[in-house]
Amino acid sequence: QSVLTQPPSASGTPGQTVTISCSGSSSNIGNNYVYWYQQLPGTAPKLLIYRNNQRPSGVPDRFSGSKSGTSASLAISGLRSEDEADYYCAGWDDSLSAWVFGGGTELTVL
Amino acid sequence: EVQLVESGGGLVQPGGSLRLSCAASGLSFSTSWMSWVRQAPGKGLEWVANINQDGSEKYYVDSVKGRFTISRDNAKNSLYLQMNSLRDEDTAFYYCAGGDAFDIWGQGTMVTVSS
Repeated sequence: QSVLTQPPSASGTPGQTVTISCSGSSSNIGNNYVYWYQQLPGTAPKLLIYRNNQRPSGVPDRFSGSKSGTSASLAISGLRSEDEADYYCAGWDDSLSAWVFGGGTELTVL
Repeated sequence: EVQLVESGGGLVQPGGSLRLSCAASGLSFSTSWMSWVRQAPGKGLEWVANINQDGSEKYYVDSVKGRFTISRDNAKNSLYLQMNSLRDEDTAFYYCAGGDAFDIWGQGTMVTVSS
């Protein structure tokens, strides 16, 4: 059972907008930044969003992050087949003094 | 080009030890937090440990405390993970990650704990 809760799966058709949620608590999301990672099949994870809503250079603006209270979301607009991947949220947990990840969401582009 | 290259994985019996290494290049290693993150086969990501720039701060996930030790050598741009008393549940792909929030990832090294 992960400290951060994500839906196990999500799907959409090309061009659509998909949103993936990440739910936590006051000791993690509620008091710290949220980060999102993309893991394409058979590859290492890649930082997608940092500090709630910032994109590293090279990440398309189709990807956006937001945070409200103890929850966060990743939105992917203009969905493409190459977006099929596992997506993970993460953040520091003050109570555990540890980084915590969500269980991951497998995105399927129909 | 920024690159992290892990090595040292392999097959080990329960109770055994293994030392993982991570060589960094193109990264301001001595000014970066460094971490180990693992992923069991078919499972999600799990943070294992991290270490601050000069090695004075180290944090571990509860399940490895007392068994794993993270360390670094800034002169060699290298990160290490000494793993002792290995258990079946430590079987995973181990990734080295650099930066405040896992900005950069290596390709990983597989650790299999099995008799």
